[in-house]
Amino acid sequence: AQSVTQPDIHITVSEGASLELRCNYSYGATPYLFWYVQSPGQGLQLLLKYFSGDTLVQGIKGFEAEFKRSQSSFNLRKPSVHWSDAAEYFCAVESGNQFYFGTGTSLTVIP
Amino acid sequence: EAGVTQSPTHLIKTRGQQVTLRCSPISGHTSVYWYQQALGLGLQFLLWYDEGEERNRGNFPPRFSGRQFPNYSSELNVNALELEDSALYLCASSLGTGGVSYEQYFGPGTRLTVT
Repeated sequence: AQSVTQPDIHITVSEGASLELRCNYSYGATPYLFWYVQSPGQGLQLLLKYFSGDTLVQGIKGFEAEFKRSQSSFNLRKPSVHWSDAAEYFCAVESGNQFYFGTGTSLTVIP
Repeated sequence: EAGVTQSPTHLIKTRGQQVTLRCSPISGHTSVYWYQQALGLGLQFLLWYDEGEERNRGNFPPRFSGRQFPNYSSELNVNALELEDSALYLCASSLGTGGVSYEQYFGPGTRLTVT
């Protein structure tokens, strides 16, 4: 079955620490890949996307993600987390004109 | 530039009733997507409209339906409401299909509560 897996339901990091949010997908072909962020009371905002080419993509707010075909992964990273990064993060995949989202990872940032 | 707008913000209905949710895309966007975000389930893809046509639908029963108007705004209709339909319904829009046009911009959502 086609799926997007975010294995970490909740992550807590200290402000200034590095962050990696995991995302794995199961599809036959290379899909389009996305990361979205949902802050409390706000809509989803696109952080970055991968369609083709360079497997390391840069996004907004200092985030980056790396596509690893061999691992079917598209992990999100940030070298130094800010308190304002506390939010829900969703990995998403487009494949065959269908859109699939993971169940999200909730990020808490402690001072 | 105005973003994606949705109405109403909140809605309370009882089981068996019908509901209509509305979405206005960003100006110039021709594709509209609907998602259901139920607690703990992430976003579930419901429907995708482009240029007035239904392009695809997710794994939802036929009582979930919708349409897209000539001005590209869209309605989502849910008939015979069930308790498990309680969720945040999100609308997104994009420039169209293919390549970078898949970048979706989301509205704030409509919170539906079914009692």
